[in-house]
Parts: sequence; C-alpha cells; structure tokens
Amino acid sequence: AQSVSQHNHHVILSEAASLELGCNYSYGGTVNLFWYVQYPGQHLQLLLKYFSGDPLVKGIKGFEAEFIKSKFSFNLRKPSVQWSDTAEYFCAVNPSSGSARQLTFGSGTQLTVLP
Amino acid sequence: NAGVTQTPKFRILKIGQSMTLQCTQDMNHNYMYWYRQDPGMGLKLIYYSVGAGITDKGEVPNGYNVSRSTTEDFPLRLELAAPSQTSVYFCYARGQGQNYGYTFGSGTRLTVV
Repeated sequence: AQSVSQHNHHVILSEAASLELGCNYSYGGTVNLFWYVQYPGQHLQLLLKYFSGDPLVKGIKGFEAEFIKSKFSFNLRKPSVQWSDTAEYFCAVNPSSGSARQLTFGSGTQLTVLP
Repeated sequence: NAGVTQTPKFRILKIGQSMTLQCTQDMNHNYMYWYRQDPGMGLKLIYYSVGAGITDKGEVPNGYNVSRSTTEDFPLRLELAAPSQTSVYFCYARGQGQNYGYTFGSGTRLTVV
C-alpha cells in the first residue's frame, strides 16, 4: 500500500515570498502524483499532476512541482505567493497500474499568506 | 454538465440515526470513490467502485455501506450514526485512459450529536 507524508502542517508566509511544500511518498511501484488545493469551505481542486515525462510539472495559478524519483518526492513550489493562495494543500498519489488506482492523500499543509 | 453532485451539503444527525449521502455523476465514469476528511488527517478512503455492481472497501469502511446499481449513482449509507462519523464527506469520479481526470463533488458536512 502507498503512503504520503507532508511534513509541513502549517506554513505562514508574507506576500511575495517563495513557497516550497514538501511531499514524500512510499510505494513499491510506479505512481502518478497530484497536488490539490482546498480553499475554505470548498472542495478539492487539482493544481497539477504528474503521470510521466518531464519531471518538472507546471500547473495552474503559477504553481509547479518537481518529481524526484530517487527521493520519492514531489515538492510543490511557487516563486511569489499571494494572499489569495491561503488554503490547504494536499499531495496525493496513486498506482500507475491496476484497476482501482485509488488516491492516497497526505495529511495536508495549511498555507497562510499574510498581506 | 454538472460533473459530480453531492447531496445534502449539510446534515445534523442524532446518534443512532441513519442516512444516505448521495453522489451522482453525469460523465459516464466507471470509477467512483468516497472519502472522509477530518482536520489534520487528510482524506481517508471509505469505499470505492470500479463499475456498476462492483464495490470494495477502502481504508476506513466500518460503519458505512455502499451500493452501485447504476454507473451514475454511488450512495454512501450510514446505518447507526456515531459521533466519530462527524466529518466532511467527498465523492469523486475518475475517467479512464492515460490522462484520466478526477472530478470531486462539493462535499457533505455531517455532524452527529
């Protein structure tokens, strides 16, 4: 079974600061990787995903993530955060093969951006 | 195109009551999943289905039941509500193929008192 670790539970930044949120996974096979964002009171929205190819993935709202296979990591980055980026961020993985391919989520990182 | 629709959005139950959380999708996706979200715990898989008539347990199935009589509907049933089931419940549907997408419902916030 796969597992996902997000080591930062709460991150507080000032506007224009750079962001990096850590995500590490554990799984014996090939995985697909995802970052989701959840704004207060809303459902999860996909920021970006990695299936294969270029390990540097660009997503919406200026976010990007880099898949480093040797480190089992998929860290999320943004060069300059805005107040509107305040939200909870979830990393998720699922097996690349198999039928159900259910997502396994990390525990989430709450990002607070101060104006 | 509504995607995934969950009803109700909010519900308060008394201990021991039962209810069904509805999840309906109009994308003809075979794969559907139910998760619960608790603060600081991320999302945990309750049940999933790979197609009509086929369901399987996830990580935290106790206290819940599901059925999948049609491709569109995947209801989650709580038979005897307990305070530990106070949570936000999300349903999502997944398409097939290499670039399949996941579409989440807007969630149901359930409080058991």
